[in-house]
Amino acid sequence: AQSVTQLDSHVSVSEGTPVLLRCNYSSSYSPSLFWYVQHPNKGLQLLLKYTSAATLVKGINGFEAEFKKSETSFHLTKPSAHMSDAAEYFCVVSDQGTASKLTFGTGTRLQVTL
Amino acid sequence: DAGVTQSPTHLIKTRGQQVTLRCSPKSGHDTVSWYQQALGQGPQFIFQYYEEEERQRGNFPDRFSGHQFPNYSSELNVNALLLGDSALYLCASSQAGTLVTYEQYFGPGTRLTVT
Repeated sequence: AQSVTQLDSHVSVSEGTPVLLRCNYSSSYSPSLFWYVQHPNKGLQLLLKYTSAATLVKGINGFEAEFKKSETSFHLTKPSAHMSDAAEYFCVVSDQGTASKLTFGTGTRLQVTL
Repeated sequence: DAGVTQSPTHLIKTRGQQVTLRCSPKSGHDTVSWYQQALGQGPQFIFQYYEEEERQRGNFPDRFSGHQFPNYSSELNVNALLLGDSALYLCASSQAGTLVTYEQYFGPGTRLTVT
């Protein structure tokens, strides 16, 4: 069975400071891992994905994540937050053995303040 | 290039009624997955369709059924609606047959309210 745990339900940062959103995963197979972002009243947008290639993954809008198998983690980071980054972020896992079913975490709401 | 489209945008139904939601996948995609996102929660997998057949199903009752058409578009049907079915229903499309890629593109969703 696959699952993800997002360690923080809410994160607040000041504009221009670093962002860290934490995610731990559990998977019986070699997982594919994703981060999606959801702005209010909008659909889900893929930020980045890990699919067993480079462990440091770069995504859109300056976000990146590092796959750490020993820690079963896939934390999302950004060096400098922007007001437009305020949104809900979902860590997602897919087992290769489950034909691309996605399992979502409960989400982390990122608040960016001036 | 059109992305994933869903209709309708919003829908209000009464308990016990039936509803049909529609999804058109991104151009070039042949697989459609449906997810339910309750308020304040992450999306939950309902089922996935490929080659007009249900390929995988999540932990949802038989009241939830679907269909995929030859043009890859899909419908989600929910019978005997309950108040707890109120949620945002998301459709995602992807391309099967490609190695390792499980990237799914999501539509904007249909907001279903059951009263």
